[in-house]
Parts: sequence; C-alpha cells; structure tokens
Amino acid sequence: AQKITQTQPGMFVQEKEAVTLDCTYDTSDPSYGLFWYKQPSSGEMIFLIYQGSYDQQNATEGRYSLNFQKARKSANLVISASQLGDSAMYFCAMREGVSGGSYIPTFGRGTSLIVHP
Amino acid sequence: DTGVSQNPRHKITKRGQNVTFRCDPISEHNRLYWYRQTLGQGPEFLTYFQNEAQLEKSRLLSDRFSAERPKGSFSTLEIQRTEQGDSAMYLCASSFNRGLAGNNEQFFGPGTRLTVL
Repeated sequence: AQKITQTQPGMFVQEKEAVTLDCTYDTSDPSYGLFWYKQPSSGEMIFLIYQGSYDQQNATEGRYSLNFQKARKSANLVISASQLGDSAMYFCAMREGVSGGSYIPTFGRGTSLIVHP
Repeated sequence: DTGVSQNPRHKITKRGQNVTFRCDPISEHNRLYWYRQTLGQGPEFLTYFQNEAQLEKSRLLSDRFSAERPKGSFSTLEIQRTEQGDSAMYLCASSFNRGLAGNNEQFFGPGTRLTVL
C-alpha cells in the first residue's frame, strides 16, 4: 500500500488566490513526521514545512500552512496568496519511527501546481 | 553559497560504462543521503551516511551501485556497468542530526541528471 498518496497530479490556481494540495498518509506508528517540499523546474528540492505527529497546532511558515487532520491521516498544504513563482512540483513526505531514530522519508508522487496571472 | 552542491549536473553515458557522481553537503551536517528520482515520481531513498559510516541501504541499491563518504565530508556515488534503467535524477541531501527530537530537515542539492544511451 502507498504510504503517501497525493491524488492531484495537477492543480491550477490564479495568482493571489489560495490553493490546497492534498496529501494522505498511512502508518501504524504513533510517532512520525510529515514534510512538504517544493521542486521547481531547476530540480532542487526545497523544504517548506514540517508537522510532527505529536504537535498540537498546525504548522505554519509564512504563506504555507499544513492542515493536519490526524484522525483522517491527512496533511494538506495550503498556500495562501499564490505567486507566479509558486509554480512547481510539490511533494508530501513522511518519516516514520521517529522515536526509533529513523530519518528516511517516503515521498509521494507529487502534485504539479501552475499559477497563472 | 553554502548549500549542498552536486557534480556533474548532467551526465550522458553509454550503456555498460561506469559513472561517478559527487556530493558536497552543508559543512556542519553530519548526515548525507542519496536518492533517485525518475520522471513522474517522488525521490526514492538509496542510502545514507552518518559521518563516514554508511548506516542504511535501500533494496534499490543493487551491487552495481556503491557509495562512499571517506572522511565524513563529501560523498561519491558510483554506478558500474550502467543500464538504460539507471537513467534518472540522482539527488543528494544533508541534515544535522538533532537526535530524536526535531524535524532533522534535509537540504537537497540540485541533482545530477543521468542519461544512459
């Protein structure tokens, strides 16, 4: 079974509007971490935001926020006030077994976001 | 620039040839990771080092692949007798081990794109 599922292969949003990128995950480990990365056409993966499974509040980093719904096992990325430079691939990733010292994330297949003027 | 660097950025080779890629991590980072990314997929873990010790290897890392980090600084990934299926982007990332707490965020390099003809 897929550990990370990103069901939206492509998303379009108008500049200055908000957009939500979906991510669901599958784990039986109570201790895990969730990440979002951005990959522009240049290829470099850029870290955006992190949510730990025990964090009480949803993570926020500037225009990025993570809508963490633990019971539903979802970790959607919300980008507010989209900019043309946000056009890129976005990957959700999960690192399980945090308490056991695992550091290897599993990535989803990504969502391509296009921001148009 | 003190980010993760990778060389070369692009490599075209003929099937059966050997290739070697280099990764220079962020200087204070003690962990270094190699990933492979094919078109339409997220990065797939290959192996990682803590300092000079190779701590984990994926089943994806066949015996034609070898990675080293001799002095705990830069790392090399060698592929022997390349096959067309090896064509992919090879990503390197580094992180500072904060132990069990914290996100141990990985910083990625720009990748090396390998094409095997």
